[in-house]
Amino acid sequence: AQKVTQAQTEISVVEKEDVTLDCVYETRDTTYYLFWYKQPPSGELVFLIRRNSFDEQNEISGRYSWNFQKSTSSFNFTITASQVVDSAVYFCALRTSGTYKYIFGTGTRLKVLA
Amino acid sequence: SQTIHQWPATLVQPVGSPLSLECTVEGTSNPNLYWYRQAAGRGLQLLFYSVGIGQISSEVPQNLSASRPQDRQFILSSKKLLLSDSGFYLCAWSLEHRTFKNIQYFGAGTRLSVL
Repeated sequence: AQKVTQAQTEISVVEKEDVTLDCVYETRDTTYYLFWYKQPPSGELVFLIRRNSFDEQNEISGRYSWNFQKSTSSFNFTITASQVVDSAVYFCALRTSGTYKYIFGTGTRLKVLA
Repeated sequence: SQTIHQWPATLVQPVGSPLSLECTVEGTSNPNLYWYRQAAGRGLQLLFYSVGIGQISSEVPQNLSASRPQDRQFILSSKKLLLSDSGFYLCAWSLEHRTFKNIQYFGAGTRLSVL
């Protein structure tokens, strides 16, 4: 069975703090894809990143970075020097090769306080 | 570039009334289309997906149906709404749904309240 767990329901930080959002996944497939999406208060899900199971290189994009570790089945997301505009619900998702279906976690609500 | 439009943005409907939500995609042809529902404080549940005109697959049995009358148009419908149909409905599109190209891009969503 495939599953994505985002154990942190809600996180609050003060602006400029670093914050890490955890994502743990379960799958028996060897080829799969992991995603992070941001859902701001407006509601639209914004695609942030896709990672495939064969690429464990960590990725950095501006203040965002992602740490993919197959050994612990985790794909964590770190925001450095958080800003109020980072306040949103963040979803992690899993898709296995050969399927269309995304398995979404329940999301982590991040509140960045000024 | 590709864009996806959903309307209406907000809808309040009485129990037992019909429903029609529309989603259109621009800037691509033969997209794969998806309808999701997000209940308050919960994750996303896939309701329907479509790989072509007239081709609809349902993920969960429910009070809703979907149709794809045109290549880039996806409609979510109900003949009689239930209270449990309330939620946030999101439409998404992607390229080939079973390959590495499947990155789903979402519309702005419709917030449906059934009273």
